[in-house]
Amino acid sequence: EIVLTQSPGTLSLSPGERATLSCRASQSVSSSYLAWYQQKPGQAPRLLIYGSSIRATGIPDRFSGSGSGTDFTLTISRLEPEDFAVYYCQQYGKTFGQGTKVEIK
Amino acid sequence: QVQLVQSGAEVKEPGASVKVSCKASGYTFTGYYIHWVRQAPGQGLEWMGWINPNSGDTNYAQNFQGRVTMTGDASINTAYMELSRLLSDDTAVYYCAKELQLWSGMDAFNIWGQGTMVTVSS
Repeated sequence: EIVLTQSPGTLSLSPGERATLSCRASQSVSSSYLAWYQQKPGQAPRLLIYGSSIRATGIPDRFSGSGSGTDFTLTISRLEPEDFAVYYCQQYGKTFGQGTKVEIK
Repeated sequence: QVQLVQSGAEVKEPGASVKVSCKASGYTFTGYYIHWVRQAPGQGLEWMGWINPNSGDTNYAQNFQGRVTMTGDASINTAYMELSRLLSDDTAVYYCAKELQLWSGMDAFNIWGQGTMVTVSS
């Protein structure tokens, strides 16, 4: 079973700053099969990125995904107040990373 | 619009079973696998398995095999997840989620239910 490890656990940033979140897999993952989700307190997760780099419907272009093999990255170019949340990577249809919390500094 | 609506919160005693429903609307229910994911309080997301609503085929995560049963009723566009022999560690929010693409079984989840809180306590 592939294990996804996200880092850092918590990212403390200010609005307007750039956020870079990492997801590392224990074995190679097809870049077609990597997704990112955003979750806010009390809400269900929301799909942000699929196929490692394709933005889901309605997702602003400040969110971007990249990577291949075992290393994947979610970048938020300029943080908006609504972006402070927990972010999860996922191997399609299976395991999730443990999450990265993006909090207001 | 496309949505998944889950049943309400449950409180169960240890050793009991719980069955959570997930009613789909706005799309062809039999065309998309439904997955179940749970989240313990303050914790991350844990994938439990999927059901193909068209065939009834299922695939369960190893952690839940022998304790979970996923079923579907295409006549009412509803999927179900039943978890037996409940422990206090099963206290969590349980989500159903729909895959992005038709007939996949290994895809991102683009629509999620609102979640069902299951509390296991004596």
